[in-house]
Amino acid sequence: DAGVTQSPTHLIKTRGQQVTLRCSPISGHKSVSWYQQVLGQGPQFIFQYYEKEERGRGNFPDRFSARQFPNYSSELNVNALLLGDSALYLCASSLDHTRAGAVETQYFGPGTRLLVL
Amino acid sequence: QKEVEQDPGPLSVPEGAIVSLNCTYSNSAFQYFMWYRQYSRKGPELLMYTYSSGNKEDGRFTAQVDKSSKYISLFIRDSQPSDSATYLCAILNTGNQFYFGTGTSLTVIP
Repeated sequence: DAGVTQSPTHLIKTRGQQVTLRCSPISGHKSVSWYQQVLGQGPQFIFQYYEKEERGRGNFPDRFSARQFPNYSSELNVNALLLGDSALYLCASSLDHTRAGAVETQYFGPGTRLLVL
Repeated sequence: QKEVEQDPGPLSVPEGAIVSLNCTYSNSAFQYFMWYRQYSRKGPELLMYTYSSGNKEDGRFTAQVDKSSKYISLFIRDSQPSDSATYLCAILNTGNQFYFGTGTSLTVIP
């Protein structure tokens, strides 16, 4: 089975531009989460989506937005790019986040490396 | 205070050594604890998870949780050069949000 896929793998943008990153979860997984990983740091939670609804949001500005489609794929959009947005953007999928007490382990994609100049 | 604190290292050990990686966390309500391995320029890969105090073993890897001290550890026995990677601890809260440590960079020298 294919794992989590992300596109593009690398991206170079300039300050002020907008970017859209894409993620396809593992088949059968309904929840997608987005993370930002700055070099030398652990991933920071940005969003979680389940069944096309936002279920969680980290401490990121409104320039960051996301959505999930009926096929459970997801897009992350970042507007008005800043130099500090340069990072590896990771998408992770999990089966179901709604079961109380369940450990919904996440499986990560390879990430999209964004460089803002 | 960060939710999860992890010594970034770097850690360098000879092949065959026992490796100990550690994290502390701040919120006693955290229930689930994971360890991920991340190779350079790759996404994190889940190694182990546990939700109770005590030890959980999987091959050469042992995850240990001490909820009274809010301390989690990963031990790697008979370390191999292929274990060279960054190891991330992660904690899942009841709202299904993950908090990651900064990662510890490990190099196993042949």
